[in-house]
Amino acid sequence: SQQGEEDPQALSIQEGENATMNCSYKTSINNLQWYRQNSGRGLVHLILIRSNEREKHSGRLRVTLDTSKKSSSLLITASRAADTASYFCATDPNSGYALNFGKGTSLLVTP
Amino acid sequence: DGGITQSPKYLFRKEGQNVTLSCEQNLNHDAMYWYRQDPGQGLRLIYYSQIVNDFQKGDIAEGYSVSREKKESFPLTVTSAQKNPTAFYLCASSIAQGGTTGELFFGEGSRLTVL
Repeated sequence: SQQGEEDPQALSIQEGENATMNCSYKTSINNLQWYRQNSGRGLVHLILIRSNEREKHSGRLRVTLDTSKKSSSLLITASRAADTASYFCATDPNSGYALNFGKGTSLLVTP
Repeated sequence: DGGITQSPKYLFRKEGQNVTLSCEQNLNHDAMYWYRQDPGQGLRLIYYSQIVNDFQKGDIAEGYSVSREKKESFPLTVTSAQKNPTAFYLCASSIAQGGTTGELFFGEGSRLTVL
């Protein structure tokens, strides 16, 4: 089942600006992951945050997790045109063995 | 290089035909997955396998079949019973971690079009 829901569906910003995407989910999780997909390509893993973690950083990426609100956010700082892609959150449910993906946020970064 | 290889990249099928999509990995991962992606729908799970000779249905298994005879291979057959098979199909693998799913490694996808 598609548990994660990203917001906004689409985001357009200029290079140098920060991009924030949000993800909400419905049931308890082991971890939450963010993936990136360039048009027509496979997904690439960006970052994993466990249910007992609140914040995680990787390069220009910052992910937060609020399990009480069942929500997560992905912040990309100082965006570049090469960051243009779709971004998906995926939840690892306590009850299952496969990730549930949201519908994604389409990010456009213009020079 | 280690990774996941999907083939073919593009496939055209006539209505009523079965087609098989190949997925091979050399990452020594126990778990493998098939997802379907439609525009605006995100990824939906078709089948997954945690171990050789065992697999489970996902959310949209009807009209699809799989096999897992080797650790490295997880082919997906799209049968004529699948009513709307035109989509982008993604295969992935991961290390099985006893109840949790870690990072998924994806192939480049196979785009199936029914004529």
